[in-house]
Amino acid sequence: QSALTQPASVSGSPGQSITISCTGTSSNVGNYNLVSWYQQYPGKAPKLIIYEVTKRPSGVSSRFSGSKSGNTASLTISGLQTEDEADYYCCSYAGSFTFVFGGGTKLTVL
Amino acid sequence: QVQLVESGGGLVNPGGSLRLSCAASGFSFSNYYMTWIRQAPGKGLDWVSYISSSTSYTKYADSVKGRFTISRDNARNSLYLQMNSLRAEDTAVYYCARDLSRGGGDAFDIWGQGTVVIVSS
Repeated sequence: QSALTQPASVSGSPGQSITISCTGTSSNVGNYNLVSWYQQYPGKAPKLIIYEVTKRPSGVSSRFSGSKSGNTASLTISGLQTEDEADYYCCSYAGSFTFVFGGGTKLTVL
Repeated sequence: QVQLVESGGGLVNPGGSLRLSCAASGFSFSNYYMTWIRQAPGKGLDWVSYISSSTSYTKYADSVKGRFTISRDNARNSLYLQMNSLRAEDTAVYYCARDLSRGGGDAFDIWGQGTVVIVSS
């Protein structure tokens, strides 16, 4: 149950696009189209923003998009806004009703 | 509205026990798989345990296996986490969350506000 690998931090300017990677293995990310992404503000509960690799829950901005290639999933945020500054976590189903999270990425909007 | 509310956290001595509760409202609790996820201070999210809608299936992270027990009471719309033999490394905010898929194994779309567990002498 090793954690998925995410960059510790990424940054971008308002209006730009950024991508956060999430690397796992053939036992989790590479084997299931069940990668989800969560946004978390300090002191708050996480919020689901992407599920099943590419799907957005109702109410989530279309500026958030997800993709996957092999053992690596990615979250792209386009048209960066100051309100996007938060921590982002990926999560993958790992079989037999187990899950694994990434270590988290702190997004700074400069 | 759809809501999860955790309770039961607190300060406990190493080796002690604590039982967390999660009260669900606004949705058909008995139809959904549920999970516990924790977050140590300044750290990332850590999946802890999972239970099927009918309670027939449970799963645990290796770090808590044999010490924690997940359960649910569908009649009371409640989820529980019994934590025994607590260690300092179990100190965290504990969240309950709902799996958005009624078949399980998907993503967590509803989260509680979290309850704080501190293991210290």
